Amino acid sequence: DAGVIQSPRHEVTEMGQEVTLRCKPISGHDYLFWYRQTMMRGLELLIYFNNNVPIDDSGMPEDRFSAKMPNASFSTLKIQPSEPRDSAVYFCASSSRYTQYFGPGTRLTVL
Amino acid sequence: SQQGEEDPQALSIQEGENATMNCSYKTSINNLQWYRQNSGRGLVHLILIRSNEREKHSGRLRVTLDTSKKSSSLLITASRAADTASYFCATADGDSSYKLIFGSGTRLLVRP
Repeated sequence: DAGVIQSPRHEVTEMGQEVTLRCKPISGHDYLFWYRQTMMRGLELLIYFNNNVPIDDSGMPEDRFSAKMPNASFSTLKIQPSEPRDSAVYFCASSSRYTQYFGPGTRLTVL
Repeated sequence: SQQGEEDPQALSIQEGENATMNCSYKTSINNLQWYRQNSGRGLVHLILIRSNEREKHSGRLRVTLDTSKKSSSLLITASRAADTASYFCATADGDSSYKLIFGSGTRLLVRP
């Protein structure tokens, strides 16, 4: 199995632009999680899905952030418009039970 | 808010020595997990201990759980330079067992 796949691995954009991060979970996993990691705030859970349905989005910072999971093998996290304070590493993780498997992350820099 | 808090924040030891990291949490839990993160990489699951377990081993790793004190420890024996990484504890509560809250992590440096 290829593990959790995220793209792009690095993204540099300018303030105000739309950013879309992509994730392909491990086949057969029914939970998908989006996290954000910064030095200041550590690892934060943004949202998670079960069977493609959003269960808890209480960690999504503001309306500029949205996430979708149109099918079991694909999810997106969108930021529109992006701001410099959104600069962070964004991780996607999937699980079928308690253990989560993380992707390599997308390092986002908003100038 | 963070459920687990690791201690110490940073630890530097010599190769071959043992490394002990501690985690404290606030509410009742279903299980507690430890993860490792190498620089620039995603987190990797190391070990899970359930709330009714007190100790668990996996290779050079030993995890203990004291639910009365709401604390856990991770011991890495005979450390190697390759163990250099950040280590996080994560807790899942009974209502949302699949939702994990991660601590702030311990940065471990193993000097060759």
